Amino acid sequence: NAGVTQTPKFRVLKTGQSMTLLCAQDMNHEYMYWYRQDPGMGLRLIHYSVGEGTTAKGEVPDGYNVSRLKKQNFLLGLESAAPSQTSVYFCATNRGQQYFGPGTRLLVL
Amino acid sequence: AQTVTQSQPEMSVQEAETVTLSCTYDTSENNYYLFWYKQPPSRQMILVIRQEAYKQQNATENRFSVNFQKAAKSFSLKISDSQLGDTAMYFCAFMKLFPNDMRFGAGTRLTVKP
Repeated sequence: NAGVTQTPKFRVLKTGQSMTLLCAQDMNHEYMYWYRQDPGMGLRLIHYSVGEGTTAKGEVPDGYNVSRLKKQNFLLGLESAAPSQTSVYFCATNRGQQYFGPGTRLLVL
Repeated sequence: AQTVTQSQPEMSVQEAETVTLSCTYDTSENNYYLFWYKQPPSRQMILVIRQEAYKQQNATENRFSVNFQKAAKSFSLKISDSQLGDTAMYFCAFMKLFPNDMRFGAGTRLTVKP
């Protein structure tokens, strides 16, 4: 079992560019989440999904969109990247506890 | 909204000694979960220990134990016989029953010294 995987591991973007982060899980969990982690702060929830075809906003959703077309995948999109979106992004699934992916480091110049 | 506060940005402890990390939270929920996660330099989030709010007994996992005070909304982590591999960031987290999203504290950077 791979658990929760994230693609890519690291990416550099220029301001205004777009990109999609992919989260994949093989644990058949219904609930999936996207968090961001900034220096000196804990993880903050961006968006989440409680099942295929559903999404909802978290604490800091502005500038991001998500889709959950398949149960095993949860995509996080940045339509027009800004330097404030430089961060480490974590995907997680949940069943009694949260299972985290390894993180994606994003640098927006 | 739930908030989680970790008042110790950094702590250090000598190898083999005991250290306690503090965490307080604010919520109007009666049923919830509390967690401590460890994040080493690899950035991987590793579950250390979990506590269900409806359980009065404090959770323990080998060298790790918690002191859960529900009325005081306090959830501290005690690490006994500290090891060099315990050096990491430690995050306290609160999770509601639905939709199971987590609120994290800002973290405590723990250094275990030889």
